[in-house]
Amino acid sequence: QVQLQESGPGLVRPAETLSLTCTVSGDSISSKSWSWVRQPPGKGLESIGFLHYSGDIRYNPSLKSRLTISVDTSKNQLSLQLTSVTAADTAVYYCTKLLGAGWDYRSDPWGQGILITVSS
Amino acid sequence: QSVLAQPPSVSGAPGQTITISCTGGDSNIGAGYDVQWYQQLPGTAPKVLIYDNTNRPSGVPDRFSGSKSGASASLALTGLHAEDEADYYCQSFDYKLFAFVFGAGTKVTVL
Repeated sequence: QVQLQESGPGLVRPAETLSLTCTVSGDSISSKSWSWVRQPPGKGLESIGFLHYSGDIRYNPSLKSRLTISVDTSKNQLSLQLTSVTAADTAVYYCTKLLGAGWDYRSDPWGQGILITVSS
Repeated sequence: QSVLAQPPSVSGAPGQTITISCTGGDSNIGAGYDVQWYQQLPGTAPKVLIYDNTNRPSGVPDRFSGSKSGASASLALTGLHAEDEADYYCQSFDYKLFAFVFGAGTKVTVL
C-alpha cells in the first residue's frame, strides 16, 4: 500500500524559501507520476505542479517563476521549493500519486498534508 | 477564480438525491479530458470518489455516481446519508494551461 508523508518547517518567514519533502513508501518513485496540491485555510484545492513519469515537470503558470519540483530516486522522495513566499502561500500542502493514462490523471493516494504558515 | 465552476453549496434531507455540477470549457472538459471527483471530510485529505467521469474506486458506495456531457460533468449522491456532509471537488486537465485544474468545491449539507 502506497503511503506519502510530507515534511517541512511549518513556519516560514516572508520573502524566504519554502522547502518541502514528500517521502514515498510502499512504491518506487521512479517511472511514476506525482504531484503537489495546496489548500489555503478555508479555501479550495490548487494544483501546484507535477512530475510526469517521462521526466517532464510542469508548474502552475501562476507559480512557475518561483517554483521548483524535483525527485531524489535514491531516497524515494519528491521535493518542492517555493521562493519569495508571502502570506498568500500559507496553505496545507499535499503530495499525491497520479494514476491514469494520457492526461486523464487522478490523485490517488494523498499524503496527510502539512500546514505551512508564512509569517514573521 | 477557478477554471471549473461548481455551486458553492448544495443541501438535502437524508434519503434524498442531490447533484453537483462542474462546468468547464473547450480547453479542459469540453476538449474531451476526463473528470475526477474528490470528497474531503473535515480535517482530512481529499480522496477519490469518481474517476474517468463514471468509475468508482473499490470501497466507494454505488450511491455515488458520475456523468459527463459536453463541457460539463455531474456528481449524483442518491440516498443521502449524514456522513456525506463534506466538500466535493471536480478536477480535470487543461491543455492551454498544461495543468490539472480543480473546481472551487461544493459544500454538501445534510439537513
